Amino acid sequence: KAGVTQTPRYLIKTRGQQVTLSCSPISGHRSVSWYQQTPGQGLQFLFEYFSETQRNKGNFPGRFSGRQFSNSRSEMNVSTLELGDSALYLCASSLDPGAGANVLTFGAGSRLTVL
Amino acid sequence: DQQVKQNSPSLSVQEGRISILNCDYTNSMFDYFLWYKKYPAEGPTFLISISSIKDKNEDGRFTVFLNKSAKHLSLHIVPSQPGDSAVYFCAASGPSSNTGKLIFGQGTTLQVKP
Repeated sequence: KAGVTQTPRYLIKTRGQQVTLSCSPISGHRSVSWYQQTPGQGLQFLFEYFSETQRNKGNFPGRFSGRQFSNSRSEMNVSTLELGDSALYLCASSLDPGAGANVLTFGAGSRLTVL
Repeated sequence: DQQVKQNSPSLSVQEGRISILNCDYTNSMFDYFLWYKKYPAEGPTFLISISSIKDKNEDGRFTVFLNKSAKHLSLHIVPSQPGDSAVYFCAASGPSSNTGKLIFGQGTTLQVKP
C-alpha cells in the first residue's frame, strides 16, 4: 500500500513569489491535513480538508491556502512568500473521521527555502 | 500559547537503559494523546496513543502513561536501542475530535548511545 506522497521534496523560491505543494493521500483516506515544521516550533497545524471541504483551519495568515480534489489529493499554496515561510511542510492523511480518534500518516514533507 | 509542551529539547541514554520522554498539556479538553517519532528527511511516524479514559497503554517496548490530574504524559522506552535515536513529538486532540487537527509539542531529540 503506497504511503502519503508529497511533491516536490525540495524547492527554493524568492521573497514575493508563490508556491504550490502537492499531496497524494493513502488510497481510501479521505482526510488530508497540512502542517508546518520549523526549528524549535514543532509541527503547527495549517488546515484540514475532508470531502473537498476545509473542515479545520489553524492560525496562519490568508497567504496560506489549500484545496482538495474529488480523488482526495490536496494542494496547498503560499502566496507572497516571506523569509519566515522557510520550513518543512508536511501532509498527513487519515481515514474517515467517524472511525474514531485519528492516527495521521505523514508524508516525507516538502522542504521550502525562501531566499 | 503553547498548549502542548515538551520541556526537554534533548535526552541522551545508554543502550539497554530506559528512556523517559515527558509532555505536559494545558487544555483539559484534550481527550486523546499520541506519540510520533521522526527521523531526519522523513515524515513523523505514529508510535503509540492513549485515550483519556486510560492511564496506561503498552505496545512492546513502548509504554505511554497519562496523568490527567497533572496534565502530564510520558513515554517509556525499555530497553532503549540505538535505532530509537530520533525526534519524538507528543500530540493531543480533543474534545472528542475525529479530525486531522493535532496539537504538537516542540519535540525531544533522543540519542541512544551504544
